Amino acid sequence: GDSVTQMEGPVTLSEEAFLTINCTYTATGYPSLFWYVQYPGEGLQLLLKATKADDKGSNKGFEATYRKETTSFHLEKGSVQVSDSAVYFCAFLSGSRLTFGEGTQLTVNP
Amino acid sequence: KAGVTQTPRYLIKTRGQQVTLSCSPISGHRSVSWYQQTPGQGLQFLFEYFSETQRNKGNFPGRFSGRQFSNSRSEMNVSTLELGDSALYLCASSLGGRGATLADTQYFGPGTRLTVL
Repeated sequence: GDSVTQMEGPVTLSEEAFLTINCTYTATGYPSLFWYVQYPGEGLQLLLKATKADDKGSNKGFEATYRKETTSFHLEKGSVQVSDSAVYFCAFLSGSRLTFGEGTQLTVNP
Repeated sequence: KAGVTQTPRYLIKTRGQQVTLSCSPISGHRSVSWYQQTPGQGLQFLFEYFSETQRNKGNFPGRFSGRQFSNSRSEMNVSTLELGDSALYLCASSLGGRGATLADTQYFGPGTRLTVL
């Protein structure tokens, strides 16, 4: 069935380190792909999105490229900050339903 | 433009009671979706409403229901509460276009934290 598999957390990095969070999906067709971020005690914020193969979504220094051949949408950032500490969710949209990965907790230490 | 708002933010109920949660979408958005977030099951889709009609439904028991009003505001109701219903309930709104378009991007509210004792 439809599913999203994310890199297991938690992930702990030092400030200015490079970040990669892996995400692969199993879905029918070519759905729109998303990364959402959740800060403690808050709802989900849209971080970036891509709607077709080879699209690159980007926002606040984060990037992810829609790879149809590997059904992946890995999240990257070149230099993380303490303020990036949060839980990151990969998701795809099928019809009107978002299917989420289990989330990856990121902690960035100064 | 104001974001998605949810009320109340926190609720404490006891087993067997029922609860109603409210969601006001972004102005102009006609689709409202509801999700349940728990530590064990993660984020799970409950249902989606578009133009006052339930268009999609997840795999939850009939105790979970919802509705949408003509102004696109939505409510979800949980009857006969169980301990396992304790969760963060998230509402998301989108323009509600057909097909996989940018109009389908969902924007989330802050959630309602429900605790069942």
